[in-house]
Amino acid sequence: AQSVTQLDSHVSVSEGTPVLLRCNYSSSYSPSLFWYVQHPNKGLQLLLKYTSAATLVKGINGFEAEFKKSETSFHLTKPSAHMSDAAEYFCVVSFSGSARQLTFGSGTQLTVLP
Amino acid sequence: KAGVTQTPRYLIKTRGQQVTLSCSPISGHRSVSWYQQTPGQGLQFLFEYFSETQRNKGNFPGRFSGRQFSNSRSEMNVSTLELGDSALYLCASSSRTGGGETQYFGPGTRLLVL
Repeated sequence: AQSVTQLDSHVSVSEGTPVLLRCNYSSSYSPSLFWYVQHPNKGLQLLLKYTSAATLVKGINGFEAEFKKSETSFHLTKPSAHMSDAAEYFCVVSFSGSARQLTFGSGTQLTVLP
Repeated sequence: KAGVTQTPRYLIKTRGQQVTLSCSPISGHRSVSWYQQTPGQGLQFLFEYFSETQRNKGNFPGRFSGRQFSNSRSEMNVSTLELGDSALYLCASSSRTGGGETQYFGPGTRLLVL
């Protein structure tokens, strides 16, 4: 079965400290991978996507993610958290060979403490 | 370019009624996908339209339907509303670039069924 799992439902960090949001997927072949962010009462904004060109993907607002096929992981990181990073983050996978039908993880709520 | 727009942004209906939601994709995008977001089930794929044809459908009852017009605008309809249909409904349009296909989301329509 194909699935995507976000390992933490809530992550809390202090402003200026690193952020790590974990994501694992299960698939019989290499899927397309994305991270989206959702601020309260807003739609989803694309942070970054894995296109198979490079295993380390850089996104907007200082976020990056590393695709590790051997670990079937696509963890999201940021060296230094900012208050404005507080939001819900979704690891998203396309298993259908098309990015038009996405499967979402359950989300990780990131809290940034002053 | 203007982003994906959805109307209305908020809607209150009663059980048994029907509702129609509208989505205007980014100019030039021909694919439109719909998702339902609820606290209990998270984000789930409803269906996807391309060139006025439904290409993919998620696991939702037949009460949920959609269509796409020749200008790529899309509507989704929910008939015989149930309390459980209360959700944020997100529309996304997609484009294909050298880096693959990416979905861009609208702000959503928040539906409350009483």
